[in-house]
Amino acid sequence: AQSVAQPEDQVNVAEGNPLTVKCTYSVSGNPYLFWYVQYPNRGLQFLLKYITGDNLVKGSYGFEAEFNKSQTSFHLKKPSALVSDSALYFCAVRDNTDKLIFGTGTRLQVFP
Amino acid sequence: DARVTQTPRHKVTEMGQEVTMRCQPILGHNTVFWYRQTMMQGLELLAYFRNRAPLDDSGMPKDRFSAEMPDATLATLKIQPSEPRDSAVYFCASGRDRAPPLHFGNGTRLTVT
Repeated sequence: AQSVAQPEDQVNVAEGNPLTVKCTYSVSGNPYLFWYVQYPNRGLQFLLKYITGDNLVKGSYGFEAEFNKSQTSFHLKKPSALVSDSALYFCAVRDNTDKLIFGTGTRLQVFP
Repeated sequence: DARVTQTPRHKVTEMGQEVTMRCQPILGHNTVFWYRQTMMQGLELLAYFRNRAPLDDSGMPKDRFSAEMPDATLATLKIQPSEPRDSAVYFCASGRDRAPPLHFGNGTRLTVT
């Protein structure tokens, strides 16, 4: 069965510093991987996806993610964090029936 | 910007009452998903429709929950009777078959007292 794991419940980073939110996956076949962000009292917003092609995927709001097949990882990154990036981040994998299976989420706190 | 619309945004009800949540998917989308979010369980998939046909509702408690798509512009999730453990935020998401990503509504926050 397809699954993703987000090993960190919370990540703290100072504004202006680079940030990484970790995700590892377990799939049979080629992985379709996604990152979503959730702000308070809102639905999930799509950030970026990996389907095929370049291992470095660029997305919304300056975020990017690196697909690493050998490490089965898809970590979310941003070179310089903003306070407004503080939110809940979800990694997800699409199974072969189009369902999205989400990780448990990582809360990102960016401090001024 | 096209959006998935969910109503109501908030619902407070007493145990035993029927609850109906509605979702208007984005025009042209043919897949609809219902997710439930709680602190303890995270995001759980409850039901999944493609072209209005239910494909998977294995995540849904069958004795009290039901999901339908009366037409392409409306999906409903009903709970009858509701229980306090049903308190959660319920999200609807829509998409196009084989063409990610999914687009989420802002959810219905349900509180059952």
